[in-house]
Amino acid sequence: KNEVEQSPQNLTAQEGEFITINCSYSVGISALHWLQQHPGGGIVSLFMLSSGKKKHGRLIATINIQEKHSSLHITASHPRDSAVYICAVDTDKLIFGTGTRLQVFP
Amino acid sequence: DVKVTQSSRYLVKRTGEKVFLECVQDMDHENMFWYRQDPGLGLRLIYFSYDVKMKEKGDIPEGYSVSREKKERFSLILESASTNQTSMYLCASSFYAGRGTDTQYFGPGTRLTVL
Repeated sequence: KNEVEQSPQNLTAQEGEFITINCSYSVGISALHWLQQHPGGGIVSLFMLSSGKKKHGRLIATINIQEKHSSLHITASHPRDSAVYICAVDTDKLIFGTGTRLQVFP
Repeated sequence: DVKVTQSSRYLVKRTGEKVFLECVQDMDHENMFWYRQDPGLGLRLIYFSYDVKMKEKGDIPEGYSVSREKKERFSLILESASTNQTSMYLCASSFYAGRGTDTQYFGPGTRLTVL
């Protein structure tokens, strides 16, 4: 069993929809990262959080340490949000999930 | 803005060739990392460096070596390339805060094909 599991693996949405991507992990962590990877490969860090909730624009990330679960929400989704979203947990190194591929259609 | 650059976006090499992948960061970061990314496996750490001339093995160091002669530059070397090293290679850097406890900034990646 992978130490970091993401769901769903693939997600399609219509522009404007509210999107949720989930991440569950089985190890003790100091923080959790959400990353975005666009076609072509470049990865951008979206959030690093160790408790509660963070918001940046239309993106919201939450974490429940007791339940070992985090969610990434996108409000009012847009085609430019189409990307792979990766969850990574921080132990003494980063352990990455396999990513959620999101496609948002106009 | 932090900038992490990699020497090539695409590279095609033959089995047995020695391959150099270079990464340069411009933010005076102590930590630098090399990952490979394969479908269905996520990113896996090959090596990382927390200071000049210092290196530590990651999860999959076999078949690879690294060099960090200057703080801004971290090189990944495939001593004798094999077809199972065909992959996307990503470099990252961060301020010193242990191996992962800080935001990592990624380069654009190098897609290496070994024939």
